[in-house]
Amino acid sequence: GAVVSQHPSRVICKSGTSVKIECRSLDFQATTMFWYRQFPKQSLMLMATSNEGSKATYEQGVEKDKFLINHASLTLSTLTVTSAHPEDSSFYICSASTTSKQETQYFGPGTRLLVL
Amino acid sequence: QKEVEQNSGPLSVPEGAIASLNCTYSDRGSQSFFWYRQYSGKSPELIMSIYSNGDKEDGRFTAQLNKASQYVSLLIRDSQPSDSATYLCAVNGGGSQGNLIFGKGTKLSVKP
Repeated sequence: GAVVSQHPSRVICKSGTSVKIECRSLDFQATTMFWYRQFPKQSLMLMATSNEGSKATYEQGVEKDKFLINHASLTLSTLTVTSAHPEDSSFYICSASTTSKQETQYFGPGTRLLVL
Repeated sequence: QKEVEQNSGPLSVPEGAIASLNCTYSDRGSQSFFWYRQYSGKSPELIMSIYSNGDKEDGRFTAQLNKASQYVSLLIRDSQPSDSATYLCAVNGGGSQGNLIFGKGTKLSVKP
């Protein structure tokens, strides 16, 4: 149980384009989903927390107009990187917590983004 | 600023030995503690959670929590080369949404 999927697993795009990443909880309803970014050999950095049906809460220093988050249902959250630049190249990982064990986060497999 | 501290390693142990991974946290009010394993290039995988003082065992893994000392550890018995990974300690951040604060991780290398 508690399986989280992400799509795509890997994406290469040109600078200036937008990229959408999907995060789905496959066998449970996720009240809250989290989006992280991880640069090589560095720790996870929380970007934002999203709750179904409400606006995401962004961490300090994360541009909400650049990283658009939509949590339309209890099983799906999307992260759109708008006008991507090479410095946005990173490993983007989502996690989801269940309604019953709110603090236990289950991670998706991650999306590796390369902006050329 | 709530912090979670881990020795970055690398921690190198021979196959079959016990690997001991340590973590300290700054918020005395923290109630939930987690250990995640992250293989290179992969996302974190939950290994154990612990909420009460003492030990919690699951197979070859034992988590130990000491709230008075603000210390949580993970022991891996009979270490295998496949245990080689980065181990992340996470502590609840105190927010209403269940956010976690992660340490930077300890890299474990188990030598055959």
